[in-house]
Amino acid sequence: TQLLEQSPQFLSIQEGENLTVYCNSSSVFSSLQWYRQEPGEGPVLLVTVVTGGEVKKLKRLTFQFGDARKDSSLHITAAQPGDTGLYLCAGYTGNQFYFGTGTSLTVIP
Amino acid sequence: NAGVMQNPRHLVRRRGQEARLRCSPMKGHSHVYWYRQLPEEGLKFMVYLQKENIIDESGMPKERFSAEFPKEGPSILRIQQVVRGDSAAYFCASSPSGGRAFFGQGTRLTVV
Repeated sequence: TQLLEQSPQFLSIQEGENLTVYCNSSSVFSSLQWYRQEPGEGPVLLVTVVTGGEVKKLKRLTFQFGDARKDSSLHITAAQPGDTGLYLCAGYTGNQFYFGTGTSLTVIP
Repeated sequence: NAGVMQNPRHLVRRRGQEARLRCSPMKGHSHVYWYRQLPEEGLKFMVYLQKENIIDESGMPKERFSAEFPKEGPSILRIQQVVRGDSAAYFCASSPSGGRAFFGQGTRLTVV
């Protein structure tokens, strides 16, 4: 079973601060996705990274795929209350997406 | 372009009844995945289908659960003789080719 561990599990920060969420595995994935999920809703796709070492930016969010395609990070600059939510990484290999344990982010105004 | 549509959003069933969950993938997507999310737990893979074919059902319980994705119409996840432990959020995701999936809003099943 491919396991994806995310850290930290919970994160509470002040508006304007920067933060990084990590997604680590011992398995290699053909692609890795980051999602954000709100309570009672489905995961919303933020980004897909495919190439080892790839970096993608989405406004204040920066995503990086590890060189060996086993890990990834999500960096948020100047966090805002609207960034509050559950962030999930998901590695794709074989026929399924393996989801991480999730990072619950709270941004305090 | 509409997103992945799941219905119903909420479903209440008594123990022993059948539950049918529907998923209409995004236009042009022929790959469908079903996941289950229990309270305070992560998303767990159940089944992966392409049109008219089950590709991987390794995450599906052997009994009472079945899934299909017919040539025409939505994908269906069917749970027969539901028990309280089946209460969960069930999510469907679609992909144009595997490796990049968009999720629906889920069906929340409550078994009473």
